[in-house]
Amino acid sequence: QVQLVQSGPEVRKPGASVKVSCKASGYIFSVYFIHWMRQAPGQGLEWVGWINPKDGGTKYAQKFQGRVTLTRDTSISTHYMELTSLRSDDTAVYYCARGLLLRGVGMFDFWGQGSLVTVSS
Amino acid sequence: DIQMTQSPSSLSASVGDRVIISCRASQSVNRNLNWYQQKPGTAPKLLVFAASSLQSGVPSRFSGSGSGTDFILTISSLQPEDFATYSCQQSYSFPRTFGQGTKVEMK
Repeated sequence: QVQLVQSGPEVRKPGASVKVSCKASGYIFSVYFIHWMRQAPGQGLEWVGWINPKDGGTKYAQKFQGRVTLTRDTSISTHYMELTSLRSDDTAVYYCARGLLLRGVGMFDFWGQGSLVTVSS
Repeated sequence: DIQMTQSPSSLSASVGDRVIISCRASQSVNRNLNWYQQKPGTAPKLLVFAASSLQSGVPSRFSGSGSGTDFILTISSLQPEDFATYSCQQSYSFPRTFGQGTKVEMK
């Protein structure tokens, strides 16, 4: 069965960086894009970007351009999201999700369990 | 960016009630609209894709409709396990955007 297992909670000080991992299993790693979203406490979901595991190509939301980097390690079927220059408003649960294209419509069909990142001095 | 607006932001309902949640896009997204269910402390779960197609394993009491800018998620007979937050999401263009969520609470 498809599983995306994310790394545990992180606490960082403002200005620091964080790297969250997302290990994929149960499907062919190179076939499906992975998207990253975040959800601040009590807020809605916000899309961060995607990565094509086949060639490492990426696309980021303009809001995060220059601060976020998505990478993958095909040898261990794991995706990574690194966010730099952290601010208090980056405190959120970060999710990875598999992107699926069906009947011409994109969707997120499997999600990781989420990784809480807390930014506090 | 396409803004997604849901209404209401929360509602109170009883088991067996018919529940209707609306989602409006700031511009046409054709039928590129998905619905997710999220329970506290857990990841979202895909319920409906392409406006009206039920994801595999989702009970038939859930249904979606609409196209263009206006969409509806209907729960025909609310069950105890349906108390959760529901969010719409457009996949017409990047950045992907979500509604703010509708929390369905027990009356």
